[in-house]
Amino acid sequence: DAKTTQPPSMDCAEGRAANLPCNHSTISGNEYVYWYRQIHSQGPQYIIHGLKNNETNEMASLIITEDRKSSTLILPHATLRDTAVYYCIVRRSTKNSGGSNYKLTFGKGTLLTVNP
Amino acid sequence: DAGVTQSPTHLIKTRGQQVTLRCSPKSGHDTVSWYQQALGQGPQFIFQYYEEEERQRGNFPDRFSGHQYPNYSSELNVNALLLGDSALYLCASSVIPRDEQYFGPGTRLTVT
Repeated sequence: DAKTTQPPSMDCAEGRAANLPCNHSTISGNEYVYWYRQIHSQGPQYIIHGLKNNETNEMASLIITEDRKSSTLILPHATLRDTAVYYCIVRRSTKNSGGSNYKLTFGKGTLLTVNP
Repeated sequence: DAGVTQSPTHLIKTRGQQVTLRCSPKSGHDTVSWYQQALGQGPQFIFQYYEEEERQRGNFPDRFSGHQYPNYSSELNVNALLLGDSALYLCASSVIPRDEQYFGPGTRLTVT
């Protein structure tokens, strides 16, 4: 699986958009970008994933550059409850995998602190 | 609430002992993965079970073993505990072909 690079920490004001960057310059054509977050003392929580098109769900938006070498997770209106470690992970999709659900390889992630 | 449950919540063991951790996957999920998370680090993949068989394994010694039951629940067993095994052990469930893995709250293991 391709490696990712994320800033160790970021701050964001409550109510503002939080933009979390991730570099994955060695990503291959069949690898997706996944984002998870981990609030203190809880298990990681799935946020969103995508291949090459921008994706949006009720939690966040994912913007992937055209060359797919980097991406940005956007939390449109950050709240204090969004304070967490955010992990960017590159992994092959389970679809057409022949029954394998590929492991998640976590780095150290980005600690996002949302301030009042 | 992701629906994955783990037991116990906390556990204290002595070096050399054996421990069993348990996981019940989210309803409808058939695949269980186990991760170890040391303090200040991201989770590290231990192994994955599907159809009651170990399908993938991370870089962990044979002291770490597991089992999956016909109802898809799973156990993680660690023998000959070392101080370095102290960590948060996370269980994640999923269902092929969906890509999302749902994590439980974890079991905090302390080895003294």
